[in-house]
Amino acid sequence: EPEVTQTPSHQVTQMGQEVILRCVPISNHLYFYWYRQILGQKVEFLVSFYNNEISEKSEIFDDQFSVERPDGSNFTLKIRSTKLEDSAMYFCASRLNQETQYFGPGTRLLVL
Amino acid sequence: SQQGEEDPQALSIQEGENATMNCSYKTSINNLQWYRQNSGRGLVHLILIRSNEREKHSGRLRVTLDTSKKSSSLLITASRAADTASYFCAPVGFNNAGNMLTFGGGTRLMVKP
Repeated sequence: EPEVTQTPSHQVTQMGQEVILRCVPISNHLYFYWYRQILGQKVEFLVSFYNNEISEKSEIFDDQFSVERPDGSNFTLKIRSTKLEDSAMYFCASRLNQETQYFGPGTRLLVL
Repeated sequence: SQQGEEDPQALSIQEGENATMNCSYKTSINNLQWYRQNSGRGLVHLILIRSNEREKHSGRLRVTLDTSKKSSSLLITASRAADTASYFCAPVGFNNAGNMLTFGGGTRLMVKP
């Protein structure tokens, strides 16, 4: 069964460094999402992406964040200058036309 | 988008028993989805119920929707230890064309063998 994959599974970085989290959505899907979950807290929506542009973003998704679909398969989330509070699990999700979203296993980001 | 609130926050049962989780929301919805999250893992879609449906089944799962009370329930019958996870509802409004999901705190279900 097709799956959303994410790399790396874990990333440790120093505050102020740039990180790129990678996702490979399910191949024929059209809508792409990033969510994050700070340890012990709710899963929070960050951004949705469709037709090569951002369709919605939350207040969390400020100028430090960007997303890109550089080719036909990858979907990336870049954090330009990481802060301690960016430490969280980041989930990518994708869907076709139906409402069901398929989530990847997540990337655990730790900012020191 | 709107957030669902799950109740109870935590539920502990014995294997073989049924587990019922509830979700309440505030405004009209197009559909409501239930997801499961095993500890530290991604969310897995369980079931979607549309606003014009009252009940839906999928294997051992039964979901009901009462739009007049703005509530939904998820019943897991004959629970297994592998059902231990957090369960979330995500109501999706009509004006949510992007289908972004907003999650509450979830119900943490523990099924003891």
